[in-house]
Amino acid sequence: GEDVEQSLFLSVREGDSSVINCTYTDSSSTYLYWYKQEPGAGLQLLTYIFSNMDMKQDQRLTVLLNKKDKHLSLRIADTQTGDSAIYFCAEKNYGGSQGNLIFGKGTKLSVKP
Amino acid sequence: DGGITQSPKYLFRKEGQNVTLSCEQNLNHDAMYWYRQDPGQGLRLIYYSQIVNDFQKGDIAEGYSVSREKKESFPLTVTSAQKNPTAFYLCASSIGGTSSYEQYFGPGTRLTVT
Repeated sequence: GEDVEQSLFLSVREGDSSVINCTYTDSSSTYLYWYKQEPGAGLQLLTYIFSNMDMKQDQRLTVLLNKKDKHLSLRIADTQTGDSAIYFCAEKNYGGSQGNLIFGKGTKLSVKP
Repeated sequence: DGGITQSPKYLFRKEGQNVTLSCEQNLNHDAMYWYRQDPGQGLRLIYYSQIVNDFQKGDIAEGYSVSREKKESFPLTVTSAQKNPTAFYLCASSIGGTSSYEQYFGPGTRLTVT
């Protein structure tokens, strides 16, 4: 079945780069997403990438996709304390009957001053 | 302002009682979704609806019910049959069913059942 895996924790110092990794199993995934969740809040869509792309950059965020290895990463440059949150990787199978997203368990990013 | 609202933010109920969680969107989205989030877990899909008067079960529909009488509203009822109802519930919407690629989330409702 479909599965999305992420490491649970990441700790970085303010100003450093953060790299959050994700692996997925569904080779027919067409869209891959990164969501951010702050404590007690809903999920905020950060960025997404189509499966026919290798990289997408949006200000401090860089998404890299290795489709062969089914590996997705999110790099946050110049990480700030406000970036502390849980980051979810999610995939969508365009041809799936449900059309819903499959989420990883989330990576909790802690930014130390 | 367009968006998704969920109310209330915190909800407390006694075991054995049904409770209904509200989700409203003014984004004119066709599709709406309910997810459940438990500590240290990802989101699990409860129910989804791609169009008014139609909805499908997700991965963990047992003990829940929904209705979709209006495009902008997708209430979730947590029934007494749900064995572990205490969780954080998130509602989401997207432009149109399987062709949409962005889901927008509400702020969530934290339900505690004692």
